[in-house]
Amino acid sequence: DGGITQSPKYLFRKEGQNVTLSCEQNLNHDAMYWYRQDPGQGLRLIYYSQIVNDFQKGDIAEGYSVSREKKESFPLTVTSAQKNPTAFYLCASTMSRVGTSGYNEQFFGPGTRLTVL
Amino acid sequence: GDSVTQMEGPVTLSEEAFLTINCTYTATGYPSLFWYVQYPGEGLQLLLKATKADDKGSNKGFEATYRKETTSFHLEKGSVQVSDSAVYFCALSDNSGGSNYKLTFGKGTLLTVNP
Repeated sequence: DGGITQSPKYLFRKEGQNVTLSCEQNLNHDAMYWYRQDPGQGLRLIYYSQIVNDFQKGDIAEGYSVSREKKESFPLTVTSAQKNPTAFYLCASTMSRVGTSGYNEQFFGPGTRLTVL
Repeated sequence: GDSVTQMEGPVTLSEEAFLTINCTYTATGYPSLFWYVQYPGEGLQLLLKATKADDKGSNKGFEATYRKETTSFHLEKGSVQVSDSAVYFCALSDNSGGSNYKLTFGKGTLLTVNP
């Protein structure tokens, strides 16, 4: 079955630690995204990548970093510089890239809940 | 910039009641519109979509019509079930100016359906 997997489902971090959230897709999608979700708020875009070895900051990139070394993988690192990292993190992917035609339906993974102890 | 405004929740209904969740948008171009649903502890799933004016998206008894004149995409269901309890997100993808990579989401509406 094609889809997006995220791991771990739950993650606990001590203050001052960096942690990395995994996101893998086997949909052969070009573009991948990381969102943060806080209670009562919509999704906010952290980073996105349209192609391997390229990525762009979203609306709330400070304190986060990403890499895109393979088409199917887009890991997110939450660094110690992120002051309030406790949240639900969602990874998504789409077939389209910027400049291509058509609407942009995004497919989401099941999410990782990060808690800072 | 683009924005999506949806009615604030929470919304609490009895089983078999009629559901409406309002959604209006602001976009510079001709966006595609989406409703996503999020069940507790899970990621988002696409519920329905509409890509041009007057299109009606439908799925699992839910419907929404793309109204360009009122810039709206209200979600409706004639008879809700307990299993419909979830958070519903309205979203748009602006297909002009090279911005079609990005989805802009509303804040979500929590729906609780009681038996």
